[in-house]
Amino acid sequence: EPEVTQTPSHQVTQMGQEVILRCVPISNHLYFYWYRQILGQKVEFLVSFYNNEISEKSEIFDDQFSVERPDGSNFTLKIRSTKLEDSAMYFCASRVPSGRASSISGANVLTFGAGSRLTVL
Amino acid sequence: RKEVEQDPGPFNVPEGATVAFNCTYSNSASQSFFWYRQDCRKEPKLLMSVYSSGNEDGRFTAQLNRASQYISLLIRDSKLSDSATYLCVLPEGGNNRKLIWGLGTSLAVNP
Repeated sequence: EPEVTQTPSHQVTQMGQEVILRCVPISNHLYFYWYRQILGQKVEFLVSFYNNEISEKSEIFDDQFSVERPDGSNFTLKIRSTKLEDSAMYFCASRVPSGRASSISGANVLTFGAGSRLTVL
Repeated sequence: RKEVEQDPGPFNVPEGATVAFNCTYSNSASQSFFWYRQDCRKEPKLLMSVYSSGNEDGRFTAQLNRASQYISLLIRDSKLSDSATYLCVLPEGGNNRKLIWGLGTSLAVNP
């Protein structure tokens, strides 16, 4: 079964350092997402990405965050200067466009990666 | 009312029990809903999609009550492996670009 892969699985960093989290979405998917989940809290939307540009972002996704798809396969999330409160599990997700889904239910289904746990000290 | 609200539990039930969770939502325009399952420190995995009045898949039944703005998840004949957190999820607006998540309901199935 196709899967979304994420690296690293766990990263520990010092406050103020830059972090890049990497994701390889499912190959025929065209919509990409980053979500995060602080321990014990809700999953929160960060950003969606389509056609090489951000289609929507949340209030959390401030100037410290950026995303790109540099080589057509990897989808990265960069945090320029990490803060303690950035410690969370970061999930990448992807989905197929609605018109290419095999069913109505398949059109809206996100496939999540296993996540990258970021610990900021 | 919060966008998506769930009773966090935990629900502790014996194997074989039937258990039901409710989720209330505030956006009356929501057309589709999802139940995801999340194991401890793992990624969410889709359990069921709900587009009309409900959906059934084996031991799992999801029902939608648009008038009262809640969706439910019923698990029959619960197994030890059903122990997880069950997340109620709605797309924001109609574009499905952004999912709004509940905090989840924790289920522990005991032998």
